[in-house]
Amino acid sequence: IAGITQAPTSQILAAGRRMTLRCTQDMRHNAMYWYRQDLGLGLRLIHYSNTAGTTGKGEVPDGYSVSRANTDDFPLTLASAVPSQTSVYFCASSETGVNEQFFGPGTRLTVL
Amino acid sequence: GQNIDQPTEMTATEGAIVQINCTYQTSGFNGLFWYQQHAGEAPTFLSYNVLDGLEEKGRFSSFLSRSKGYSYLLLKELQMKDSASYLCAVRDGDYKLSFGAGTTVTVRA
Repeated sequence: IAGITQAPTSQILAAGRRMTLRCTQDMRHNAMYWYRQDLGLGLRLIHYSNTAGTTGKGEVPDGYSVSRANTDDFPLTLASAVPSQTSVYFCASSETGVNEQFFGPGTRLTVL
Repeated sequence: GQNIDQPTEMTATEGAIVQINCTYQTSGFNGLFWYQQHAGEAPTFLSYNVLDGLEEKGRFSSFLSRSKGYSYLLLKELQMKDSASYLCAVRDGDYKLSFGAGTTVTVRA
């Protein structure tokens, strides 16, 4: 089934630990995005990639890093998690020139 | 950057019409989007406006006035399944989206 998958679905993490959230799409979309969603704040862009091999910073990039080694995968890494990174994380993708962004099911992350 | 405002909550009766307003201030504009998000699920695309005017898609319509920095999403013939959050988002010149905090619509029988 075409779409975007994210893993894990949920995770509880101790502060200071390293964590990688995985995102894979099989629609061959050029652009991919990572958002976090917090109550009352809406979706905020963390990092994005317009094409494989390139990445850019969004609105709230501090504490996060990404890589885009190929078209399909766009992992998000928290090098040393802090409680303020407790959130729901959504990965999305879109095709260049097409308006719609497709969202993955999300990862619920709790940092204690 | 973008400053996007929309009401926090709205309540309406099944079969009625609800209008969700969105105002924005942008440093660049390349389209306005509406997404629907049911509780615990991912956002899904509803509509896109880049030119002034009304775009109609079944029971949902979206309007844009670029000069006023204003959009609305109109939901007609409300159904219980329309209970969800509705997210207004503005795309900048770099094709990045900025989202409002969302409007939670509750449909009552």
